Amino acid sequence: EIVLTQSPGTLSLSPGERATLSCRANQSVSSSYLAWYQQKPGQAPRLLIYGASSRATGIPDRFSGSGSGTDFTLTISRLEPEDFAVYYCQQYGSSPWTFGQGTKVEIK
Amino acid sequence: QVQLQESGPGLLKPSETLSLTCSVSGGSISSYYWSWIRQPPGKGLEWIGFIYYTGSTNYNPSLESRVTISVDTSKNQFSLKLTSVTAADTAVYYCARASSGSYHAPLPHWGQGTLVTVSS
Repeated sequence: EIVLTQSPGTLSLSPGERATLSCRANQSVSSSYLAWYQQKPGQAPRLLIYGASSRATGIPDRFSGSGSGTDFTLTISRLEPEDFAVYYCQQYGSSPWTFGQGTKVEIK
Repeated sequence: QVQLQESGPGLLKPSETLSLTCSVSGGSISSYYWSWIRQPPGKGLEWIGFIYYTGSTNYNPSLESRVTISVDTSKNQFSLKLTSVTAADTAVYYCARASSGSYHAPLPHWGQGTLVTVSS
């Protein structure tokens, strides 16, 4: 099973600042089958990025993903008030699909 | 726009069987993979498994001995059964649809989730 470790656990930032979230796998994620989701309280997760770097439909271009192999990054270039949430990475290349434990982006 | 809606009992006793159904509207259940994911209160996401519209399944080994996912194409819905539940199975259960008919596909479409509590 591929274990995904996200860091940091919590990121305290102000609106307008840049957020950099990390997702590290204990083995290579095949074909960059790596996705990022945003989840707000009481809501289902929302797909932001798939294939490590492709934005999902309707996702603003301030969200970008990068990386390959075992190291992946989600960057939010300038935080908007609605971006404060929990973010999860997920790999869908090797069964069982697995999620990271999440990074909470909170208002500083 | 496809929409998914989970339904089923919200309260179970230990050792009972959890049964949930996901009803799909705004699109056919054919040609896609359909997943179940759960999230214990205040914790992260756990993939339970998925089913292809043909009935082919793939389960998380951590739950495989207790899980069955089935599909009813005539009703445009799919279901989850989890046997011998304990308090550790208390979670919000989500159904979701993959982005394409590919085995390797992310999950852009989710139901709103339903809370299932296991308590005596």
